[in-house]
Amino acid sequence: DTEVTQTPKHLVMGMTNKKSLKCEQHMGHRAMYWYKQKAKKPPELMFVYSYEKLSINESVPSRFSPECPNSSLLNLHLHALQPEDSALYLCASSQGATGFGELFFGEGSRLTVL
Amino acid sequence: QQQVKQSPQSLIVQKGGISIINCAYENTAFDYFPWYQQFPGKGPALLIAIRPDVSEKKEGRFTISFNKSAKQFSLHIMDSQPGDSATYFCAARKAGGTSYGKLTFGQGTILTVHP
Repeated sequence: DTEVTQTPKHLVMGMTNKKSLKCEQHMGHRAMYWYKQKAKKPPELMFVYSYEKLSINESVPSRFSPECPNSSLLNLHLHALQPEDSALYLCASSQGATGFGELFFGEGSRLTVL
Repeated sequence: QQQVKQSPQSLIVQKGGISIINCAYENTAFDYFPWYQQFPGKGPALLIAIRPDVSEKKEGRFTISFNKSAKQFSLHIMDSQPGDSATYFCAARKAGGTSYGKLTFGQGTILTVHP
């Protein structure tokens, strides 16, 4: 099983809503990532968790709040987002964060902020 | 120094032809170079990857050529098929230390293979 599962696949929210994106992997990977991808652009790294601890925050606005409840789960809590935050949010995992381990991406959650 | 420059932005190839996508980098600390394939509505998937101690790596119809002195690497898709139509991203990563697996992506190439 080499899947990274993301839910929901699509999310529409208003600027005052609070919502969460969820990600799950059962490959025993110890590093998990959130990326943001705009149309026709490469993925942009947002956060990295290594061994369930936040190790990289790429200066992401506080309206995005990551959480890693355990080694298999990764959440991204969303609050007071702006329309320009509309994008595909990709979760990824790798065996280890410092080695050459392959990065496995989920299919993403398509977020639209009205 | 963190950039990876990818070209062309888009590429149209006839079925059976060779698709070539090029990337160049500046940071000599990069030592892992993967290529990702992304279909519409899907996440990127690793296609093939190379380390700089190897000049070429082939997997099926896909080949990476790596020129360390020129700091360039390229993806060749032989016998291109319509099913290869996708966006391709090159990337580079510094391994070890505090890199934490951070990938630097190229801007992407939209490949269209006509039947």
